[in-house]
Amino acid sequence: GAGVSQTPSNKVTEKGKYVELRCDPISGHTALYWYRQSLGQGPEFLIYFQGTGAADDSGLPNDRFFAVRPEGSVSTLKIQRTERGDSAVYLCASSFQGSNGYTFGSGTRLTVV
Amino acid sequence: AQSVTQLGSHVSVSEGALVLLRCNYSSSVPPYLFWYVQYPNQGLQLLLKYTSAATLVKGINGFEAEFKKSETSFHLTKPSAHMSDAAEYFCAAAPGNQGGKLIFGQGTELSVKP
Repeated sequence: GAGVSQTPSNKVTEKGKYVELRCDPISGHTALYWYRQSLGQGPEFLIYFQGTGAADDSGLPNDRFFAVRPEGSVSTLKIQRTERGDSAVYLCASSFQGSNGYTFGSGTRLTVV
Repeated sequence: AQSVTQLGSHVSVSEGALVLLRCNYSSSVPPYLFWYVQYPNQGLQLLLKYTSAATLVKGINGFEAEFKKSETSFHLTKPSAHMSDAAEYFCAAAPGNQGGKLIFGQGTELSVKP
């Protein structure tokens, strides 16, 4: 596609539930990044994929968070047993071969109630 | 650890006035540096980036930034503010050899008064 697409744009879930957030990167971009942006803060790095593999997952806050990119294109961020503190905007970005200055999607606003 | 500090969480200027948004980074090795802009309910848009070439970097919408190694700074400027410049601005650094992972500052909200 022309840009990075994230779905859904908004997600409201109950505490304890499982959620999946999807990112469809720009066609041909091999690098894909997930960030989390809390209210009033800058984005925080979560995980980075180069192709199908997670090259750096050091930003995942705990084992409730997991991300996959099975075919090297679309990625899914999965959050188990959601907590109210997980409420944030989750941003996805992609770039060609990890080159700096990548393209961000519009984000998924997750609200845990 | 690498960090990025933006001085001032909110800056207000009059239309036509100079815009100056401050950013300092902490690193013994100058990283790549970026400025992004975020409009309400939108994703981040790249304004400009420094990648160790020219120290004065020109970006979109009339913005520019100057890399000063001695001050570990990368401040963003625009000579004359427009109402449409009102947005949140983020400075970010990409430490070397980390695959393009970005470390963001906390952001500066720019307001432009008529």
